[in-house]
Amino acid sequence: TQTVSQSDAHVTVFEGDSVELRCNYSYGGSIYLSWYIQHHGRGLQFLLKYYSGNPVVQGVNGFEAEFSKSDSSFHLRKASVHWSDSAVYFCAVSPNNNRIFFGDGTQLVVKP
Amino acid sequence: DAGVTQTPRHEVAEKGQTIILKCEPVSGHNDLFWYRQTKIQGLELLSYFRSKSLMEDGGAFKDRFKAEMLNSSFSTLKIQPTEPKDSAVYLCASSLTASAETLYFGSGTRLTVL
Repeated sequence: TQTVSQSDAHVTVFEGDSVELRCNYSYGGSIYLSWYIQHHGRGLQFLLKYYSGNPVVQGVNGFEAEFSKSDSSFHLRKASVHWSDSAVYFCAVSPNNNRIFFGDGTQLVVKP
Repeated sequence: DAGVTQTPRHEVAEKGQTIILKCEPVSGHNDLFWYRQTKIQGLELLSYFRSKSLMEDGGAFKDRFKAEMLNSSFSTLKIQPTEPKDSAVYLCASSLTASAETLYFGSGTRLTVL
């Protein structure tokens, strides 16, 4: 059974701070890993993905994520957050059979 | 370049009514997904279509939920009869390739069942 775990339900930081949102998964085979962002009242929007190659992937708006096979993790990071980054962030795992599993989401609040 | 379009944005129904939610995927996309989103359960997959064929029907949602893909550019989700516990945001998403690398989501339909 594939699972995706986002250990932090809520994260609060100040504008200009760095942030790391954690994602751990359990699956033994080849998988796609991705992050999505959801602003209030909107659908999810794709941020970035990883399948193979360089374990650090760059996404939109200064976000990056790093894959670690040893830790079964795919944490999302941003060096300097803006108030507009306040949203819910979802980690997703997709094995090659197309089934996509989403984590429960992390609510990021960026204070001015 | 149109994204995924969902209508209506908001729906209010009385218990026992039948409601139909609509979704137009991104043009040319082969895969279409219906999700239900609630604070408690998070994102739950209701249905998954590939090239208009139903690949997954969400198990526990079979009873009163029925998704159809009448053509490659239009899908509906029918809930019959509605119950208050169905109150949630219903999201439709589509993807281009069979590898489901990137999902494009609509803005969702917020359903309230009284």
